[in-house]
Amino acid sequence: GENVEQHPSTLSVQEGDSAVIKCTYSDSASNYFPWYKQELGKGPQLIIDIRSNVGEKKDQRIAVTLNKTAKHFSLHITETQPEDSAVYFCAAIGGGGGYQKVTFGTGTKLQVIP
Amino acid sequence: DTEVTQTPKHLVMGMTNKKSLKCEQHMGHRAMYWYKQKAKKPPELMFVYSYEKLSINESVPSRFSPECPNSSLLNLHLHALQPEDSALYLCASSQDRARISTDTQYFGPGTRLTVL
Repeated sequence: GENVEQHPSTLSVQEGDSAVIKCTYSDSASNYFPWYKQELGKGPQLIIDIRSNVGEKKDQRIAVTLNKTAKHFSLHITETQPEDSAVYFCAAIGGGGGYQKVTFGTGTKLQVIP
Repeated sequence: DTEVTQTPKHLVMGMTNKKSLKCEQHMGHRAMYWYKQKAKKPPELMFVYSYEKLSINESVPSRFSPECPNSSLLNLHLHALQPEDSALYLCASSQDRARISTDTQYFGPGTRLTVL
């Protein structure tokens, strides 16, 4: 089955700096890669996603890049703000026939220091 | 509107109690999911319903019993739980167009369950 590794497990940045979280996946058939942000006591919230036919996607201060050859994808947050502090999960979903479950990374706790 | 609602927000129950968790969405989604999340861990899939039929059961113990009364509602019935079942229980939904599993999943806020 799919295996997703996520690094780093914790990340502290100064407000205004950039943050980068990296994930690697094992199943070359995976073709959908969402990123979720989870604040304390809340459910995961989708912040951006990318599909395998696209190399990069941007939404305001958030961007995701995908390298299918190397099987890794990254989340980039620019001009970080204290409200960006949360746990971020990457995920991968396979492209095989039938239902393919979401495989989550282990999470990155991001702290933005004012 | 991409909202999934869950009730109750918090639940404390004894090991002999019977309780139910409820989930609702009005986005017209035809796939609904139950996940279990322990502290500092990613969500773990428990069940998937597609078009009101149970399509995946991730070998979940029978003390957890899912039910999908209609396309907008998903319940999780709990009976004879153990303290190690204490966790955040998350519901999610997705469009499930032509049963494509790569549709975006939208999560609810979860029910924080404590089993004494």
